[in-house]
Amino acid sequence: QQQVKQSPQSLIVQKGGISIINCAYENTAFDYFPWYQQFPGKGPALLIAIRPDVSEKKEGRFTISFNKSAKQFSLHIMDSQPGDSATYFCAASISGGSYIPTFGRGTSLIVHP
Amino acid sequence: DAGITQSPRYKITETGRQVTLMCHQTWSHSYMFWYRQDLGHGLRLIYYSAAADITDKGEVPDGYVVSRSKTENFPLTLESATRSQTSVYFCASSSFGQEHRETQYFGPGTRLLVL
Repeated sequence: QQQVKQSPQSLIVQKGGISIINCAYENTAFDYFPWYQQFPGKGPALLIAIRPDVSEKKEGRFTISFNKSAKQFSLHIMDSQPGDSATYFCAASISGGSYIPTFGRGTSLIVHP
Repeated sequence: DAGITQSPRYKITETGRQVTLMCHQTWSHSYMFWYRQDLGHGLRLIYYSAAADITDKGEVPDGYVVSRSKTENFPLTLESATRSQTSVYFCASSSFGQEHRETQYFGPGTRLLVL
């Protein structure tokens, strides 16, 4: 049973465009939602994270939008650049629990120059 | 340099052989994890450890063994490698800092090919 569903599996965007990746979760106990970025040949690295007490968090060109009632959260990359080409994973975990995140299956983003 | 390291970075082995993948972290993080990454499956948890001498199974533990005698090391052993274990393996550790309490720090990965 996949607890965090991520879409799309792959995404191609032109330079300067907006990249949007969506995730949906089932377990309402999740209260920490990070996004990881992985470049080819590297391990994933934390990009940005949000907790359900806010509906949006922005860091530079990257924004997480969170909809608690719909149990969905999304990553928006504004003014997408070729250097943003990577695989993006959403995740969810429970604070105070086992701290084991549940990952989405990843989205491969290609930004064309 | 502080961080999380994995060795070897690349490994080719044959079916039936025992293989051990090493993971070392210098942050004294209590939690450590092993994942495998395969196309279409994302990151799947193999085993994790909450502290030295405490380990538990993840989503796909069959065919793997772990140990954690020291906080900083978390080796993963494939007791009898199979072709289905060809994958990229990532070790990770968890931070409990204030801002990102459950941040996972990943190593660079080990690419394993089982012939």
